[in-house]
Amino acid sequence: AQSVTQLDSHVSVSEGTPVLLRCNYSSSYSPSLFWYVQHPNKGLQLLLKYTSAATLVKGINGFEAEFKKSETSFHLTKPSAHMSDAAEYFCVVSDFYGGSQGNLIFGKGTKLSVKP
Amino acid sequence: KAGVTQTPRYLIKTRGQQVTLSCSPISGHRSVSWYQQTPGQGLQFLFEYFSETQRNKGNFPGRFSGRQFSNSRSEMNVSTLELGDSALYLCASRVSAGSEDTQYFGPGTRLTVL
Repeated sequence: AQSVTQLDSHVSVSEGTPVLLRCNYSSSYSPSLFWYVQHPNKGLQLLLKYTSAATLVKGINGFEAEFKKSETSFHLTKPSAHMSDAAEYFCVVSDFYGGSQGNLIFGKGTKLSVKP
Repeated sequence: KAGVTQTPRYLIKTRGQQVTLSCSPISGHRSVSWYQQTPGQGLQFLFEYFSETQRNKGNFPGRFSGRQFSNSRSEMNVSTLELGDSALYLCASRVSAGSEDTQYFGPGTRLTVL
C-alpha cells in the first residue's frame, strides 16, 4: 500500500532563510508524488508534482522538490522564505487503483511558520 | 477558467440530521473526488465519481454517499449526522479518472455538527 510520512509536524524559519520540509514515501511501484499547500481557511493549492520525468521538480512560488528513489524521499525546498509562505504543506502520493491512478493519499501535514 | 466551486461554504447541523454538499468541477473536468479533513485524521479520501459512476471509494460508513450528474456536478450526502462528522469537506476535479491528471481542489465546505 502507498503511504507518505512527513517527518516534521511544525517547522519554523526566519524570513529570508531556506525552507526544508521533509517527506518519505512508501510505494510498490513508481509513484506520482505531489506537494500541496493550504493557507488558513482556504482549499488546497498544488505546488508541484513528480510523475517519473525529471527528478528535480520546480513548482510555483520558488519551491522545488527532488525525488530520490534510493532514499524514498521527496523533500520540498525553497531558497528564501517569505512571510506569505506561512501555511500548512502536504506531501501526497497517488494511489494505484484498478490499474490506473486513483485517489490521493495525504501525509499528516507540516505547518510552516515564518518569523520576521 | 473558473475553478472548483463548493456550496455552501459553511453549514451547521445537529446530530441525526442529514446534509447535502455540492461541488461544481472545472469546466471540461469529468472526474470529481471528495475528501474529508479533520484535525485528528487529517485528509481522507471519500469517493470519486466519473461519468456519473462511482469509480473508487474510501473507508467510510454507508452514511456517506454521493452522486454525479450528467453535467459533472457532484453532490455528497451524509445521513444521520454524528458529532465526529464535523470537518472540512473538500472536492477536487480532474479531466478524467485513472490518469496522471492533476486534481484541483475547491475551497471546501465547513460542516459543524452540534
